[in-house]
Amino acid sequence: GEDVEQSLFLSVREGDSSVINCTYTDSSSTYLYWYKQEPGAGLQLLTYIFSNMDMKQDQRLTVLLNKKDKHLSLRIADTQTGDSAIYFCAESRSSSNTGKLIFGQGTTLQVKP
Amino acid sequence: DSGVTQTPKHLITATGQRVTLRCSPRSGDLSVYWYQQSLDQGLQFLIQYYNGEERAKGNILERFSAQQFPDLHSELNLSSLELGDSALYFCASSALPGEQYFGPGTRLTVT
Repeated sequence: GEDVEQSLFLSVREGDSSVINCTYTDSSSTYLYWYKQEPGAGLQLLTYIFSNMDMKQDQRLTVLLNKKDKHLSLRIADTQTGDSAIYFCAESRSSSNTGKLIFGQGTTLQVKP
Repeated sequence: DSGVTQTPKHLITATGQRVTLRCSPRSGDLSVYWYQQSLDQGLQFLIQYYNGEERAKGNILERFSAQQFPDLHSELNLSSLELGDSALYFCASSALPGEQYFGPGTRLTVT
C-alpha cells in the first residue's frame, strides 16, 4: 500500500530526548526522510537515510532504520523549545522510478519549558 | 533558506477562476516536484518535471496542469477552482537522489 504512518502528537520537556516514530509499507523504499515544518513555513529537510543503512547521526539528530520491521525513528537529543514543530517522515521508492515522496501525516512535537 | 523560491506567497481568488503558481528551483537542479498540503489529505505529490519533460504524475486533477520551462522554472496552473482546492502548494527541487528541497509554499484560498 501507499501508507506511511506516524503518531500524531508527542509532548516532551525541554532538555529531554524526543523520539518520533514512523512505519512504512514498501520494501522498495530507497531513501527515507525527516522533514520539519514550523507554523506558516515550508518543509525543512532535516536528514535522510539510504535504505542500506541502519543508523545516521547528525549533531542532535539520530535516525534509526529497521528494514525488517519497516520502522524509522528520529531521536532529537536535548530537545529545545525551538524544536516545536510538525515532523514528517517520507519515503521515495525505487519501484516508482521517480524521486516523488510519500509522506506520513506528520507528528506534532510540543516542547514544554 | 532552501534556495527554492515560490510566488506568490498568498493567493485569494473566487470559485471558477484560474491561477498560476510559480517556482524557481535551486540553481542547477533539473527536477521540480509539486505537492499539495491540505488538512484532510495531508501532503500529496502532484507532478514531477525533469529538465522540461514530465516525469511522473500523482494525484493531480485534470483541472490542474504544469510545465517546466527551458530556464528550469516551473508553473502550476489551477483552473475552474473549487473551494476544496484551498491548500498550501509546495514546489521542491532536487539534483541528486536523496535530496529534495522545498520552497516556502503558496497558500491558495478559494472563496
